[in-house]
Amino acid sequence: RKEVEQDPGPFNVPEGATVAFNCTYSNSASQSFFWYRQDCRKEPKLLMSVYSSGNEDGRFTAQLNRASQYISLLIRDSKLSDSATYLCVVGGTGFQKLVFGTGTRLLVSP
Amino acid sequence: SQTIHQWPATLVQPVGSPLSLECTVEGTSNPNLYWYRQAAGRGLQLLFYSVGIGQISSEVPQNLSASRPQDRQFILSSKKLLLSDSGFYLCAWSLDLTGELFFGEGSRLTVL
Repeated sequence: RKEVEQDPGPFNVPEGATVAFNCTYSNSASQSFFWYRQDCRKEPKLLMSVYSSGNEDGRFTAQLNRASQYISLLIRDSKLSDSATYLCVVGGTGFQKLVFGTGTRLLVSP
Repeated sequence: SQTIHQWPATLVQPVGSPLSLECTVEGTSNPNLYWYRQAAGRGLQLLFYSVGIGQISSEVPQNLSASRPQDRQFILSSKKLLLSDSGFYLCAWSLDLTGELFFGEGSRLTVL
């Protein structure tokens, strides 16, 4: 089983739609969780951290479910500019060695 | 503000040739530094990380090596490239254990 698993997609959605991605992780001792965004042929950039209580940043909401070992990202009112690959990232304790998922590709169409 | 730069951005190298990718960070001191590789259709793979000058930890056995000659400089090298070394190489830094990584623009390597 992979340490971090994501549906590669692509998720094709129209502008204005709501879309959600899930990501499962295998290490129950994981302590930190993030969503990164990566545009085509560019470097990843942090989208948001995922806290135990869940967190929201504008149209983006991240949730953590420790019991089922998954995190989710919800995007409301999708914009064309949201088209990108979304990377799920999980970290353990001690020195921060993060494990990246392979990413979920999102395509938002007019 | 902090910035990170890596170069070259793109390179095409023959099998068996050497490699040197360089990364520098500005605006911070004693950062943790990382080299990642992203092969087509695969997730980011951590190659090396460094918590200080001259301190290098390797995550996977390979024909690549890394060095940190100065606090904010990280170099990825190879004496003889293999076809399988092709990929997108990303340098990154972080300050603490929050986990937020800041990536350079990446270096796209094609080995022919």
